[in-house]
Amino acid sequence: AQSVAQPEDQVNVAEGNPLTVKCTYSVSGNPYLFWYVQYPNRGLQFLLKYITGDNLVKGSYGFEAEFNKSQTSFHLKKPSALVSDSALYFCAVRDISGSARQLTFGSGTQLTVLP
Amino acid sequence: SQTIHQWPATLVQPVGSPLSLECTVEGTSNPNLYWYRQAAGRGLQLLFYSVGIGQISSEVPQNLSASRPQDRQFILSSKKLLLSDSGFYLCAWKTERTKLSGNTIYFGEGSWLTVV
Repeated sequence: AQSVAQPEDQVNVAEGNPLTVKCTYSVSGNPYLFWYVQYPNRGLQFLLKYITGDNLVKGSYGFEAEFNKSQTSFHLKKPSALVSDSALYFCAVRDISGSARQLTFGSGTQLTVLP
Repeated sequence: SQTIHQWPATLVQPVGSPLSLECTVEGTSNPNLYWYRQAAGRGLQLLFYSVGIGQISSEVPQNLSASRPQDRQFILSSKKLLLSDSGFYLCAWKTERTKLSGNTIYFGEGSWLTVV
């Protein structure tokens, strides 16, 4: 069975500092990996995805994520955090041979950027 | 461009009353449609998915049902709500146009349901 782990429930970072939100995954085959962001009382917004190709994926709002197959990780990063980046972040994975309904979400990481 | 609309945004219903949450997608045809529930502000659970009109699959047994009367319309219903049905419900869609472009799920704005 596939799974996603977001080991940190909460990440605090000062504005202007780099941020990292961690995600590790487990699938039987090759993964499709996704990051979503959720602002309070809102739906999830798609940030970026890894399908194939370059391990460094760039997404919306200056975010990027690096696929590391050997460490089975897909950490979300941003070089300089903004207060407006404060939100709940979800990592998700599915096996490329599976269907979208088999998308598995992590438990979420609350990012707080302090002014 | 494609958009997804979900309503109502918030709903307070008494126990035992019926429920109807609606979702429509614009700008695409024959999308896959999904209903998720987000409990306690965190975990996402897939409730139902549909690959076409009248085709509904349920992922978990529960007090809810789903219907797809039109290609781009997905409805979440209940005949009698339970307290445990309270939560944040998210509709989502995905295109099947190509394998690569069709693998991202996009979410609506969500509906807060409070059963009292």
